Amino acid sequence: GDSVTQMEGPVTLSEEAFLTINCTYTATGYPSLFWYVQYPGEGLQLLLKATKADDKGSNKGFEATYRKETTSFHLEKGSVQVSDSAVYFCALSASGGSYIPTFGRGTSLIVHP
Amino acid sequence: DAGITQSPRHKVTETGTPVTLRCHQTENHRYMYWYRQDPGHGLRLIHYSYGVKDTDKGEVSDGYSVSRSKTEDFLLTLESATSSQTSVYFCAISGVGTQGYGYTFGSGTRLTVV
Repeated sequence: GDSVTQMEGPVTLSEEAFLTINCTYTATGYPSLFWYVQYPGEGLQLLLKATKADDKGSNKGFEATYRKETTSFHLEKGSVQVSDSAVYFCALSASGGSYIPTFGRGTSLIVHP
Repeated sequence: DAGITQSPRHKVTETGTPVTLRCHQTENHRYMYWYRQDPGHGLRLIHYSYGVKDTDKGEVSDGYSVSRSKTEDFLLTLESATSSQTSVYFCAISGVGTQGYGYTFGSGTRLTVV
């Protein structure tokens, strides 16, 4: 079945450091890929998405590129801020399927001033 | 969380009692989902609905039931609450043809079973 694997956290960085959170997936067909962010005490919010190979999703300085050859969708940001501290979830939605998304386990990011 | 609300936001209940959580949407979306979130487990699907009165089980459905009598409401019932059901519960919605648009989540219900 479909699956998403994320790097385990927590990831701890200093402000203005470069961020990478790795995500790889297994799926049949051509899934859509997503990154969600969850701030403390809140629900998940869609951060960015990509619907086909080589697409780059971007939002709020975060980027991720859909790499079909490596089945990856790594999240990057050039300069993190304290306010980026949150849990980040990688997810996929299979093509032509039941619309049930598959989520990774989440990666906690802690940014220190 | 525009268009989707969960109630209650917090609840403490006793072991053995039934509990119902409500998810209400104003987006007229066809698909609705119930997840639980626990440390070390991420999000786990409990039940989902693909239309009025059309529901199916997810990976952790034991001890839970759902109902959807209207498009806008999806109810999750813990038939006889146990301490292992202490968790944060999230509802999510998505529309037909929105596979590429992602899902909208509610703010969650924190349930404690004592």
